[in-house]
Amino acid sequence: KNQVEQSPQSLIILEGKNCTLQCNYTVSPFSNLRWYKQDTGRGPVSLTIMTFSENTKSNGRYTATLDADTKQSSLHITASQLSDSASYICVVSAENSGYALNFGKGTSLLVTP
Amino acid sequence: DGGITQSPKYLFRKEGQNVTLSCEQNLNHDAMYWYRQDPGQGLRLIYYSQIVNDFQKGDIAEGYSVSREKKESFPLTVTSAQKNPTAFYLCATRAGGPYNEQFFGPGTRLTVL
Repeated sequence: KNQVEQSPQSLIILEGKNCTLQCNYTVSPFSNLRWYKQDTGRGPVSLTIMTFSENTKSNGRYTATLDADTKQSSLHITASQLSDSASYICVVSAENSGYALNFGKGTSLLVTP
Repeated sequence: DGGITQSPKYLFRKEGQNVTLSCEQNLNHDAMYWYRQDPGQGLRLIYYSQIVNDFQKGDIAEGYSVSREKKESFPLTVTSAQKNPTAFYLCATRAGGPYNEQFFGPGTRLTVL
């Protein structure tokens, strides 16, 4: 069964600190992996998308890594800001799956002053 | 949120009533989706449509209905048969290309009183 597991479930950090969120998946055959940021009460917004051949991708202070061999991805946030407080969702799609996406439950990040 | 609008943002319904959630897009994407989001859970697929006048059930279609009469519109009706309709509902579209990226609307929060 295709699964996406995210850790930690929640995280509290001080403003200015770095943090790393984890995503492990069992989706096969792998097509691509996306990280979304979802503010409370809003729709998810894409941060990065990576295919099998891409092992790192950055979007400002967000850097995602992908290890297709171990089926792991991480999202690193540098110099966190209060506006980074949100839920971060890992989504993995399989080849030839058409509509089907596999969603993680998300990591809830709170950045405090 | 891009070119996807959902209305209303908040919706209250009495038990036993049907209610329709609107989703409109101007991205010219063929595929549209409806997801349900509950606290602590990943997004779950309700219905999807890959082309006008065609739609398919997702993982949790019971108690819901959709129509796709126009490319731009994909309304979702929550019927009285849905036993636990209180949730956050997200509409999404899918672009073509190598990533098949999904774009999400701002969401509608439905509360059954």
